[in-house]
Amino acid sequence: EVQLVESGGVVVQPGGSLRLSCAASGFTFDDYTMHWVRQAPGKGLEWVSLISWDGGSTYYADSVKGRFTISRDNSKNSLYLQMNSLRTEDTALYYCAKGGWLPWDYMDVWGKGTTVTVSS
Amino acid sequence: DIQMTQSPSTLSASVGDRVTITCRASQSISSWLAWYQQKPGKAPKLLIYKASSLESGVPSRFSGSGSGTEFTLTISSLQPDDFATYYCQQYNSYFTFGPGTKVDIK
Repeated sequence: EVQLVESGGVVVQPGGSLRLSCAASGFTFDDYTMHWVRQAPGKGLEWVSLISWDGGSTYYADSVKGRFTISRDNSKNSLYLQMNSLRTEDTALYYCAKGGWLPWDYMDVWGKGTTVTVSS
Repeated sequence: DIQMTQSPSTLSASVGDRVTITCRASQSISSWLAWYQQKPGKAPKLLIYKASSLESGVPSRFSGSGSGTEFTLTISSLQPDDFATYYCQQYNSYFTFGPGTKVDIK
């Protein structure tokens, strides 16, 4: 069974840092692009970042560029999101999602998400 | 940046109804469009990709059409399990989701 399990979400103060993790199983992790997508409470979906199969290419939404860093460890079937200089508007449920073989493709498997709350 | 709009924002329907949701892109995205279903407290689920391709395991009452800037998601006969919020997403250039259409019980 293809599965993505996110972890690392906590309550953090504005300006703080946090690292999210996503453990993948049930598919050949290093064949696929991976994404982070977030959803603020009661709001819609917002794409955050993607990383290519080999980690060689990364892309970010303008709202997080320069503050967030996506990475992956294919030996551990794991995806990460380092979040720095956090703002209240970063409060959201963060989903890890599996993409395609190429960066610009749909997301066919999603985790259940991990909640990040930025509040003083 | 490519902007996505959806209409209606809310749709009230009954079991058995034919339901159509429209998604528009601010510029041509060819057929690089996906549709997702999200239920409260759950992750999004892929329904349709490349505008009209049905994801494996998704019931055939779901269908997608369109290309360029205008797309539709149709549910041919609404079932109780289909009451949810539906999002379109373009993946032609980066990724943008529509604001969502909530389908609720009439």
